[in-house]
Amino acid sequence: DQQVKQNSPSLSVQEGRISILNCDYTNSMFDYFLWYKKYPAEGPTFLISISSIKDKNEDGRFTVFLNKSAKHLSLHIVPSQPGDSAVYFCAASVAGNQFYFGTGTSLTVIP
Amino acid sequence: DTEVTQTPKHLVMGMTNKKSLKCEQHMGHRAMYWYKQKAKKPPELMFVYSYEKLSINESVPSRFSPECPNSSLLNLHLHALQPEDSALYLCASSQAVTGYGANVLTFGAGSRLTVL
Repeated sequence: DQQVKQNSPSLSVQEGRISILNCDYTNSMFDYFLWYKKYPAEGPTFLISISSIKDKNEDGRFTVFLNKSAKHLSLHIVPSQPGDSAVYFCAASVAGNQFYFGTGTSLTVIP
Repeated sequence: DTEVTQTPKHLVMGMTNKKSLKCEQHMGHRAMYWYKQKAKKPPELMFVYSYEKLSINESVPSRFSPECPNSSLLNLHLHALQPEDSALYLCASSQAVTGYGANVLTFGAGSRLTVL
């Protein structure tokens, strides 16, 4: 049973525009969330995190929003750049234990 | 050093072979993880070591045997695998298993395993 879902397998965005990647979870005990980026033939690379005491966290071009009542989080990338083209995974955990990953969204940024 | 190094990058083995995957980190992290990832699927947690002791085993078949010889090394011993075990095996480490404030997983590049 998939506890973390990314319902969009792929997303294409023009360079300079906003990319919005979505993630839904079912376990209300999850209180810590991470986003990872993965290039082919490389391991996932940490991007940004958010804990359940916040509803927004920002780091440069990346912002993560958390809606606890909807059990939904999203990653916004503004402005999108061609180098952002990769697979993005969200991950959720209870107090930083046992991270559960979503299926990933493949982002393509078109120059 | 902010890397997790995994060897080999690629491994092909028969169902009767015994092989090992290796993982090394020098970041002083005290938790290390094995994940398995199949195509178009998310990474699935297999094992967690905390302070060199096995803390989580996600009901993984005994043909996979983890070992943590010291705080920097993590091995995954493979024996009598099945073709469906073919996957990307990812190692990760983090500062601690509990305490989410600083608990970010740092992943290696993975070992691509093919079982014939």
